Amino acid sequence: DQQVKQNSPSLSVQEGRISILNCDYTNSMFDYFLWYKKYPAEGPTFLISISSIKDKNEDGRFTVFLNKSAKHLSLHIVPSQPGDSAVYFCAAPRKGGSEKLVFGKGTKLTVNP
Amino acid sequence: DAGVTQSPTHLIKTRGQHVTLRCSPISGHKSVSWYQQVLGQGPQFIFQYYEKEERGRGNFPDRFSARQFPNYSSELNVNALLLGDSALYLCASSFVGVTNTEAFFGQGTRLTVV
Repeated sequence: DQQVKQNSPSLSVQEGRISILNCDYTNSMFDYFLWYKKYPAEGPTFLISISSIKDKNEDGRFTVFLNKSAKHLSLHIVPSQPGDSAVYFCAAPRKGGSEKLVFGKGTKLTVNP
Repeated sequence: DAGVTQSPTHLIKTRGQHVTLRCSPISGHKSVSWYQQVLGQGPQFIFQYYEKEERGRGNFPDRFSARQFPNYSSELNVNALLLGDSALYLCASSFVGVTNTEAFFGQGTRLTVV
């Protein structure tokens, strides 16, 4: 039961352009959503989150948008930098806090110089 | 400040063997969760421990077990290893029951079963 879905396994963009990573979910009970970034040979690192009562959260170059009616969220990175090249995971807590997270399969972002 | 630390970083085991993976959470975090990440997939929740008690379990067989110690560190044990257990095992620590907070992950233990 894939409650969090990332349907694009990979994305390639040019440096300086916008990267848009998408995530869909099926469980309308999720309270908030998180994005993690993962480099090879490292654990996931937290990037940004959004509460289900908001439709946008911004942190520097990173903005997450939430469309509850569509059960869809997206992560925008502007401008994209080569150091942003990593695998990005969308996640949501099963219940309560972030002790039990449900992850998507991830999207591998490549930012070309 | 030390983050979540896991040991060992890499491990090679033979089918049928047993393995123990270790995790130390961030200071102040009392909850430790374990995840399995196989190639091409996102991390899958295995266990959550809080105050030495199991508070959640994912869809994994009984060959997987874990425990938490009084200092909140944790061990994940896997018995009768199968080839399919080859994966990156991640440990995460977090506060309990606080919404809108993130979990912090260690660098993982790469387990290869041959």
